[in-house]
Amino acid sequence: GDSVTQMEGPVTLSEEAFLTINCTYTATGYPSLFWYVQYPGEGLQLLLKATKADDKGSNKGFEATYRKETTSFHLEKGSVQVSDSAVYFCALRRRQAGTALIFGKGTTLSVSS
Amino acid sequence: GAVVSQHPSRVICKSGTSVKIECRSLDFQATTMFWYRQFPKQSLMLMATSNEGSKATYEQGVEKDKFLINHASLTLSTLTVTSAHPEDSSFYICSASRGDANTGELFFGEGSRLTVL
Repeated sequence: GDSVTQMEGPVTLSEEAFLTINCTYTATGYPSLFWYVQYPGEGLQLLLKATKADDKGSNKGFEATYRKETTSFHLEKGSVQVSDSAVYFCALRRRQAGTALIFGKGTTLSVSS
Repeated sequence: GAVVSQHPSRVICKSGTSVKIECRSLDFQATTMFWYRQFPKQSLMLMATSNEGSKATYEQGVEKDKFLINHASLTLSTLTVTSAHPEDSSFYICSASRGDANTGELFFGEGSRLTVL
């Protein structure tokens, strides 16, 4: 079945450091790919998405590129801030009406000043 | 952006009682809603897919008689945990689909934390 694998956390960085959170997927066909973020005490929010190969999703300085050849969707940010501390979830969704998101296990990011 | 609201955000109940959690799409119609369960420090596990006006589709291993899902309207889905036990304590999250069902993002409620004593 479909699945998402993302790097184990927690990831601890200093402010302004470079961030990479790896994400790979297994799916039939070409799913849409997403990164969701969950800040402490809040619900899930969409961070960015890509719907086809080579698409780059970007938001708030975060980027991820849909790589079909490596079945990956790694999240990157050039300079993290303390406010980026959260749990990040990689997810996929099949191109069928009414299908759910399949999530990775989540990666906790902690940024210190 | 689209808003999905869950209620209650926290509930504590005694073992053996039933608890109902509501999920509402406030500014759009959601033909399909999804219920997830999140264990501490773990991912969101899909429990069931709820379609308006029809029976929910449950994932393997999810007891449909314990987790009753009703999607009575295009803006409301409910999850009832029947005869709750301590092992049902968890964080339950609903989500709703808007727009293009094939590629559209899902919008999430704030989650409901259930504690069964």
